[in-house]
Amino acid sequence: LAKTTQPVSMDSYEGQEVNITCSHNNIATNDYITWYQQFPSQGPRFIIQGYKTKVTNEVASLFIPADRKSSTLSLPRVSLSDTAVYYCLVGDSGAGSYQLTFGKGTKLSVIP
Amino acid sequence: DADVTQTPRNRITKTGKRIMLECSQTKGHDRMYWYRQDPGLGLRLIYYSFDVKDINKGEISDGYSVSRQAQAKFSLSLESAIPNQTALYFCATSEPGQGADEKLFFGSGTQLSVL
Repeated sequence: LAKTTQPVSMDSYEGQEVNITCSHNNIATNDYITWYQQFPSQGPRFIIQGYKTKVTNEVASLFIPADRKSSTLSLPRVSLSDTAVYYCLVGDSGAGSYQLTFGKGTKLSVIP
Repeated sequence: DADVTQTPRNRITKTGKRIMLECSQTKGHDRMYWYRQDPGLGLRLIYYSFDVKDINKGEISDGYSVSRQAQAKFSLSLESAIPNQTALYFCATSEPGQGADEKLFFGSGTQLSVL
């Protein structure tokens, strides 16, 4: 399974765009990149998933370069409610979510 | 009402006691999972089940057992609880989608403390 590396923590002011980069050098051909968000005392929540180039939904954008060895989750104009831990997962989720490994994630703190 | 419900939300027990954590879901998903989260760490998979007759060990199954009573119910048991099983436990469900569309849906968690 591909190992991921992401920053332990990040701080941002309200209204700013936040970019969280995840490194996954040994990503396999069938692997997808998935991001989850977790608020304190809650279970993780799916944010976005992609395979290559760019994916955008109502919550975030995911940028994946051609070599797919990294990916960047972009949160536009964050608010205090975006304070959470963000997990980058890499795996063949089409073969079963049990293969996806949650690392320590990135703790994002949004400052007023 | 929550799609994935875990009971109890909090539980304090003593070393050596048997305890069961329960999970029920209304999403109609076949796949269910139990994860454990320790402070400052990610989630680790304990057991997973792809249907009522299918049970599989995850990364850290030692000391745990599970029962899939029905499509909607998946319970986790600690036969003889020990203090290092103190953690936040999550149940999750998923349904295989088109390609890699499979997403996990989590419950709100059960905070277990073993004294």
